[in-house]
Amino acid sequence: AQKVTQAQTEISVVEKEDVTLDCVYETRDTTYYLFWYKQPPSGELVFLIRRNSFDEQNEISGRYSWNFQKSTSSFNFTITASQVVDSAVYFCALTLPYSGAGSYQLTFGKGTKLSVIP
Amino acid sequence: GAVVSQHPSWVICKSGTSVKIECRSLDFQATTMFWYRQFPKQSLMLMATSNEGSKATYEQGVEKDKFLINHASLTLSTLTVTSAHPEDSSFYICSASVRGWYPEQNTQYFGPGTRLTVL
Repeated sequence: AQKVTQAQTEISVVEKEDVTLDCVYETRDTTYYLFWYKQPPSGELVFLIRRNSFDEQNEISGRYSWNFQKSTSSFNFTITASQVVDSAVYFCALTLPYSGAGSYQLTFGKGTKLSVIP
Repeated sequence: GAVVSQHPSWVICKSGTSVKIECRSLDFQATTMFWYRQFPKQSLMLMATSNEGSKATYEQGVEKDKFLINHASLTLSTLTVTSAHPEDSSFYICSASVRGWYPEQNTQYFGPGTRLTVL
């Protein structure tokens, strides 16, 4: 079975500060996908990034960056120069790839609520 | 791309009535759709998985007769909450994906959610 742990329940930062959201995962499979989703107060989950287990390259997208380290089973998410619009709940998730059968369900962490204070 | 819509966005109904929630993939054909329930300040709880043209697979503890799921086409899945009661009040979210071997096909795209309040 898979497990995703987001140890930080809530984080508050002042605007323009950098913040890192932690994600630790557990799986016995060697092939898997990791995701980050953003859920703003409106409720919709917004897809941010997908990373497959073969690709340990860090990724940067504007103010967002992701650090994937298989050695520590972590997939951390950093927001630089945070803004009020970044206030949301962020979910880390894992899925096993399609294998010809099954439903490749997402295993979610419990989420981290980020509040960016102006 | 990868836009998923849900309708209605919110609904209030009386106890004992049935409510239907629609989930549509607008710009892609979704072979698989998922239905989740989310309680306040909690993570998403998977209720069921539906593959187009076949019966839904329900998670343990989810009543099949209460939460009817239909996935009649590659762009539409519906969740009907039958004989709704106040304890069914929740935020229901659907997601859609394309079942396949490529990375982008292993990604779930979520709808905006439906807030159900049963009086």
